[in-house]
Amino acid sequence: SQQGEEDPQALSIQEGENATMNCSYKTSINNLQWYRQNSGRGLVHLILIRSNEREKHSGRLRVTLDTSKKSSSLLITASRAADTASYFCATAYSGNTGKLIFGQGTTLQVKP
Amino acid sequence: GAVVSQHPSRVICKSGTSVKIECRSLDFQATTMFWYRQFPKQSLMLMATSNEGSKATYEQGVEKDKFLINHASLTLSTLTVTSAHPEDSSFYICSAKSTGTVYSNQPQHFGDGTRLSIL
Repeated sequence: SQQGEEDPQALSIQEGENATMNCSYKTSINNLQWYRQNSGRGLVHLILIRSNEREKHSGRLRVTLDTSKKSSSLLITASRAADTASYFCATAYSGNTGKLIFGQGTTLQVKP
Repeated sequence: GAVVSQHPSRVICKSGTSVKIECRSLDFQATTMFWYRQFPKQSLMLMATSNEGSKATYEQGVEKDKFLINHASLTLSTLTVTSAHPEDSSFYICSAKSTGTVYSNQPQHFGDGTRLSIL
């Protein structure tokens, strides 16, 4: 399978705590993207990190990319109950047709 | 921001029925759209890449005669599940990228999905 792996599969934390999710992939990429999905809805793009970047920030989100280890992490700081959702990493592989390969996802529950 | 509209959001129909799902880019043109399938508590699996004015490119294992894709204009792609059976029940999601950005470092814009239930 081309799908990447994410861990943990599920994460439950208290409001105000930080949440860290990890993603691994298999081949060379152009970029790696993180998306959020609320239950029964489509995906919302959170952040894109290019293969030549190592870290990127957007508000309470921090993404790192280690191409030598073929891995990425998403950190959500000071979590809120509204952050409860599933989070997916997706990779755009080098030389492909613009399509994305999604990881298995992490389900995050933030308790108020 | 870029908006993708997917319709209908929910379909319940009898086995043997064909179901058409529409994916529209509302404020941008999309030469390429993507169709995904998602089972409960699982990730998105790419089914096919829809190309305006040409045949869709299907992923390995996806039956092209079962899942008909038509990309008739720069803002509309349709997925028709032909002679649907209970095993076709799933959540189908489309996405699109602006024309000219397909191969670039730009995100895809997703519709809200269609939940298909075949009785």
